[in-house]
Amino acid sequence: DTEVTQTPKHLVMGMTNKKSLKCEQHMGHRAMYWYKQKAKKPPELMFVYSYEKLSINESVPSRFSPECPNSSLLNLHLHALQPEDSALYLCASSQDFSRGQFNEQFFGPGTRLTVL
Amino acid sequence: GNSVTQMEGPVTLSEEAFLTINCTYTATGYPSLFWYVQYPGEGLQLLLKATKADDKGSNKGFEATYRKETTSFHLEKGSVQVSDSAVYFCALSDRGQGAQKLVFGQGTRLTINP
Repeated sequence: DTEVTQTPKHLVMGMTNKKSLKCEQHMGHRAMYWYKQKAKKPPELMFVYSYEKLSINESVPSRFSPECPNSSLLNLHLHALQPEDSALYLCASSQDFSRGQFNEQFFGPGTRLTVL
Repeated sequence: GNSVTQMEGPVTLSEEAFLTINCTYTATGYPSLFWYVQYPGEGLQLLLKATKADDKGSNKGFEATYRKETTSFHLEKGSVQVSDSAVYFCALSDRGQGAQKLVFGQGTRLTINP
């Protein structure tokens, strides 16, 4: 299984809603990532988890709250978002970095988020 | 910091034409280099990679060679197909805060006409 799955595929929410994005992989990867991608732009890194611990937070606003309940799952909790947060949210995973070599990242299909 | 510069698109070619998408990078050390492809409505897929100087990555008829002397990783394909229409991202590996990161170029939108 070389697949990263994301749910839901599409999400429309109001600025007062609370919602969550989910990501799952069964490749035994120990690093997982959240990216935000605006139209016609490259993905922007938001968070990195390594061995279920948050390693990198790229100064993301607190209305985005990541969670890694176990090595296969990654969530992104959303609360009080703004219309400018509308984007494609991509999850990715890779093998661990402990051996010092850079391992390729496998991306999911993304969740298309619209904030009204 | 590390960065990647790609040729600006969009690029439009006819089927069976030769493709080159330029990519240059700025980095300290010796990063790994990648080309990712994003088809409409989908996530990113790794197309090919190279981990050290003079390595050539290849996949699906696409090739790119890691050129340390020119800090480049240009993507080439000898004969493109309509199904190659997508956005192509050049990226390099970066390390920070005990984890690995990808630094992406701006992306090049490729359209192949029949």
